[in-house]
Amino acid sequence: KAGVTQTPRYLIKTRGQQVTLSCSPISGHRSVSWYQQTPGQGLQFLFEYFSETQRNKGNFPGRFSGRQFSNSRSEMNVSTLELGDSALYLCASSLEPEISGNTIYFGEGSWLTVV
Amino acid sequence: AQSVTQLDSQVPVFEEAPVELRCNYSSSVSVYLFWYVQYPNQGLQLLLKYLSGSTLVKGINGFEAEFNKSQTSFHLRKPSVHISDTAEYFCAVRRTDSWGKLQFGAGTQVVVTP
Repeated sequence: KAGVTQTPRYLIKTRGQQVTLSCSPISGHRSVSWYQQTPGQGLQFLFEYFSETQRNKGNFPGRFSGRQFSNSRSEMNVSTLELGDSALYLCASSLEPEISGNTIYFGEGSWLTVV
Repeated sequence: AQSVTQLDSQVPVFEEAPVELRCNYSSSVSVYLFWYVQYPNQGLQLLLKYLSGSTLVKGINGFEAEFNKSQTSFHLRKPSVHISDTAEYFCAVRRTDSWGKLQFGAGTQVVVTP
């Protein structure tokens, strides 16, 4: 069974540009969440989607957005990139969240460098 | 709100020695508890989780953790480490009603030397 797949794995962008990251959850998983990991702030929750609806949002500016498609695949977008957006962006998936204690599985992440 | 404190940022340990990584949490509501491991240039892998029941939880790769409700702790242990256990370890909590949102600690870097 394939794990959580994230593309691209590595990318370099220039300040002011925008970026779109993609995530394919484990087959059968309908909940997708995103996290940002930086050396200074650690792992921070960005948002979570279930059934194409954002269910939860972390404390990030509006430049960070996401969406989920009917096949549960998800994308996140960061507009007007800043140097501080350089980070590892991790996608995670799980089964229906109503099932208590479902494990959250992570992908290998997308490394974004903003120059 | 919840918070997670990992008491050690780095733990050096010799191969075949035991290791304990400490995690304390605070929360005004019920939470689930998790330990994840991150190897260099990789994502997070679940080691173990505590949902309810027995306070001693066994996970993968010989790791175990003990939930202590009175001390709000969830310390991770391994009786004998290998070089391959060199990684960063994250303690995390999740509200029982918050679906996917994990609150992570700052991480503990474990460095195993021969």
